[in-house]
Amino acid sequence: SQQGEEDPQALSIQEGENATMNCSYKTSINNLQWYRQNSGRGLVHLILIRSNEREKHSGRLRVTLDTSKKSSSLLITASRAADTASYFCATEGAGGSNYKLTFGKGTLLTVNP
Amino acid sequence: DAGVIQSPRHEVTEMGQEVTLRCKPISGHDYLFWYRQTMMRGLELLIYFNNNVPIDDSGMPEDRFSAKMPNASFSTLKIQPSEPRDSAVYFCASSFPRPRSGNTIYFGEGSWLTVV
Repeated sequence: SQQGEEDPQALSIQEGENATMNCSYKTSINNLQWYRQNSGRGLVHLILIRSNEREKHSGRLRVTLDTSKKSSSLLITASRAADTASYFCATEGAGGSNYKLTFGKGTLLTVNP
Repeated sequence: DAGVIQSPRHEVTEMGQEVTLRCKPISGHDYLFWYRQTMMRGLELLIYFNNNVPIDDSGMPEDRFSAKMPNASFSTLKIQPSEPRDSAVYFCASSFPRPRSGNTIYFGEGSWLTVV
C-alpha cells in the first residue's frame, strides 16, 4: 500500500516559474525523501529531510516537512525545461532499522520552454 | 562505479513462460530492493535483502514470484509462469544505510517486461 500521496498528480508550468508539489503520508517517519524520474529511466535521489527538520535546501530545491500534519512540500524555483520529470516522495518508517522506503505515485511535472 | 545494473532492459514474452530478471547492485551496498512500477499501482516494494538475506517479502504478489540473492553482487527476480498482468517495469535498487543517515537508495534503469 502507498504511504505517500503526491498532489497534484500532474503540473504544467512555464520555464522560469516555480513548481510546488505536495506529499502527505500516514504513519510516523524517520525521514522523507524526494526522488526524480525522467521518462524511461530509474529514480534518482534528490533530497532527504529528517523528521526533526522543518526545512532543507539544495540548489533550486526547497523541501519542507510538517510532521504534525504529516505532509511535505517540494519547491523547485526558476524551473527549466530539463526539470520535466516525475517527482516522488518516499518515507522511511519510524522505529527499528528496517530502512524500508515506501513511495507515493508521483507528480508529473512538465516545464514548457 | 557503474551504478546498479539490470538486465534485460526490455523483454517481451508469452504468457506462461518463465521470466528471469537480473541485478548487480553497487559494490559495497548491503541492501538490495526489488520494486515494480505500473501506472495503476505506482511503485511497489516487492522484496528486499540485507546482506543477501531476504528481510521482507510481503510485497511479492503471489507464489509465481520468487527472488534470490546468492551473493553480494547478484540477485534475480523470477516469474513463473508469467501472466499479462505482470507487465510492468521492474526496478532493482541498492543502498548502504546507516543509523541517523537515512536510507538513500540507488535505482537501476529498470527491466521493462511485457507479457503477451
